[in-house]
Amino acid sequence: AQTVTQSQPEMSVQEAETVTLSCTYDTSESDYYLFWYKQPPSRQMILVIRQEAYKQQNATENRFSVNFQKAAKSFSLKISDSQLGDAAMYFCAYRSARGQNFVFGPGTRLSVLP
Amino acid sequence: DVKVTQSSRYLVKRTGEKVFLECVQDMDHENMFWYRQDPGLGLRLIYFSYDVKMKEKGDIPEGYSVSREKKERFSLILESASTNQTSMYLCASSLPQGVANEKLFFGSGTQLSVL
Repeated sequence: AQTVTQSQPEMSVQEAETVTLSCTYDTSESDYYLFWYKQPPSRQMILVIRQEAYKQQNATENRFSVNFQKAAKSFSLKISDSQLGDAAMYFCAYRSARGQNFVFGPGTRLSVLP
Repeated sequence: DVKVTQSSRYLVKRTGEKVFLECVQDMDHENMFWYRQDPGLGLRLIYFSYDVKMKEKGDIPEGYSVSREKKERFSLILESASTNQTSMYLCASSLPQGVANEKLFFGSGTQLSVL
C-alpha cells in the first residue's frame, strides 16, 4: 500500500520569507499524481498544486512551487514571499494513475509570523 | 462555482445513537469519498463510491456504512456511535481518474462529538 510521510508536524516562517515543506511517499508504481492541499482555519481544503509523475518539469502556481524528485520519492512544497494568509495545515497527497483513491500524509501546520 | 455541501458543521451525539452525515455535490462527479481527519494522522479514507449504488471500503470502514442512491448524494452512517468516532469528517468528490486536471473537491467538514 502506498504511504505518504510529512516529517515536520509544525513549521513557522517570517512574513515575506521563503519556507519549504517536506513530503516523501512510498510506492512501487511509476505513474501517479501528487498534490499539496491547504486547510486554513475555515477547514475548507483547497488545492495548492498538482504534479504528474511523468512530467519532469516541476509544477508552479504563483508563489508556490514544488521540488519533485521521482527517484528519491520526494515532493516538497516551496512557498515564496510568505503571507499571513498562508497560515494553515498543509497536506501532501498521492494518487495512483490506476486507482481512484487519494492517500494523504499527516499534515504540517504552518504559522506565518508578522 | 463548484460546491460540495455537508449538512452539518458541528454535531453532538450520544453513544449508541445512529448518526447520518450527508454530503451533496453539484458537479455531476462520479466519485465521492468520506474521509476522517484526526490530529497527527491526516485524512484516512472510510469509504468511497465511483457510481450510484457502488461503494468500496477504504482503510478504516469498521463501524461505518454508506449509501449512494443518487449521483449527487453520498451519506455516511454510524450504525451505533462510539466515543472513538469523535472526529472531523470530510466529504469529497472528483471526476474519474484519467480526466485531465482531475482533483478532489472538499466540503467544509463536520466536527462530530460522541458523548
